Amino acid sequence: DTAVSQTPKYLVTQMGNDKSIKCEQNLGHDTMYWYKQDSKKFLKIMFSYNNKELIINETVPNRFSPKSPDKAHLNLHINSLELGDSAVYFCASSPSGTSGDNEQFFGPGTRLTVL
Amino acid sequence: AQSVTQLGSHVSVSEGALVLLRCNYSSSVPPYLFWYVQYPNQGLQLLLKYTSAATLVKGINGFEAEFKKSETSFHLTKPSAHMSDAAEYFCAVSKMDSSYKLIFGSGTRLLVRP
Repeated sequence: DTAVSQTPKYLVTQMGNDKSIKCEQNLGHDTMYWYKQDSKKFLKIMFSYNNKELIINETVPNRFSPKSPDKAHLNLHINSLELGDSAVYFCASSPSGTSGDNEQFFGPGTRLTVL
Repeated sequence: AQSVTQLGSHVSVSEGALVLLRCNYSSSVPPYLFWYVQYPNQGLQLLLKYTSAATLVKGINGFEAEFKKSETSFHLTKPSAHMSDAAEYFCAVSKMDSSYKLIFGSGTRLLVRP
């Protein structure tokens, strides 16, 4: 019974295409996140939603747009894909966005390769 | 501003040897600190966290970490390495503003030799 799931696991696409990555959590958490992990394993937060409201929006190109249809889902849509978007994207969730000691639970990741 | 620095991008130990992964933090307020582990082709999993309750924190899989304010450190240790410990380890600090986002270190790859 997967806690945080992402689809697809692998995504290979051409430059200029638009693609989406989906994330779902069944933990009943209020807060969800998107992280990008580059080829050097560096992990950086992109977005965070708390109860469907955007609370973190890092310096990310406008081509990236998160959407949270409900508390259990946070999808990431990417327009006009570029080579530099190739990375592993992780979704995560935590019980609340109002306490800094909450554990974040991570999904298995989506490896995006832009050709 | 909060930040973490992990010394050593790769650490290699023999099976059964002590594991020591270093993390130093920077924070103007008492921080919340975390260690996460990432096994190959998987997401991150919490090993342990420091939230000011106790300076010595015990986590899963026999790992522990000690918060030392005087040294601004939160090093991760395990007395005896196992082959299954081979993974990438990330230290993180929680940003102490309304976002409470995690700021990760650059990671340390632990290699365990038979």
